[in-house]
Amino acid sequence: NAGVMQNPRHLVRRRGQEARLRCSPMKGHSHVYWYRQLPEEGLKFMVYLQKENIIDESGMPKERFSAEFPKEGPSILRIQQVVRGDSAAYFCASSQSQGLGTGELFFGEGSRLTVL
Amino acid sequence: AQTVTQSQPEMSVQEAETVTLSCTYDTSENNYYLFWYKQPPSRQMILVIRQEAYKQQNATENRFSVNFQKAAKSFSLKISDSQLGDTAMYFCAFMKTGGSQGNLIFGKGTKLSVKP
Repeated sequence: NAGVMQNPRHLVRRRGQEARLRCSPMKGHSHVYWYRQLPEEGLKFMVYLQKENIIDESGMPKERFSAEFPKEGPSILRIQQVVRGDSAAYFCASSQSQGLGTGELFFGEGSRLTVL
Repeated sequence: AQTVTQSQPEMSVQEAETVTLSCTYDTSENNYYLFWYKQPPSRQMILVIRQEAYKQQNATENRFSVNFQKAAKSFSLKISDSQLGDTAMYFCAFMKTGGSQGNLIFGKGTKLSVKP
């Protein structure tokens, strides 16, 4: 049973370009979460999605960032017009609906974005 | 708002010895979960142990155990018989029950080095 798959593992963008990060949850998981980790920091919650729905985006920056989890395909975190401060590791996690009560999330290996 | 504090940025321990990592948190919630996650150099977040606040008994997973003091809002992790593979960043995390699931609040982490 494959774990949470994220790609790309490393992404380099120049200021002003767009970054797209993809996440395929574990098989059977319909809940996806995105977190950002800045250097020397813990992970910070960004957004929680279920299929075709954004449930909680309280951690998302108001501009340039968006996320989706379509009916088919992976979840996408999109960052438009990237700036150097967007350089970070972006982690995706997933859970089963039944697992919400236990709070167990399964994390991917992260995507490291570097903005030049 | 909830906060999680890890006061030890770095720690080291000799192989086979015991080490305790500290974590305190602040919340007005009565029901919540607490977690310890391990992040090795590969950067994947791995769940080490989980504690439900309504359970008085401290959680244990093999060599890992916690000392959960609800009144003091303290949640320390004890690693017994330390192994070289335990070298990693360790993050304490909090999640309230109900509301938005998956919104984990992480501390800044403790870098643990196990020395041969």
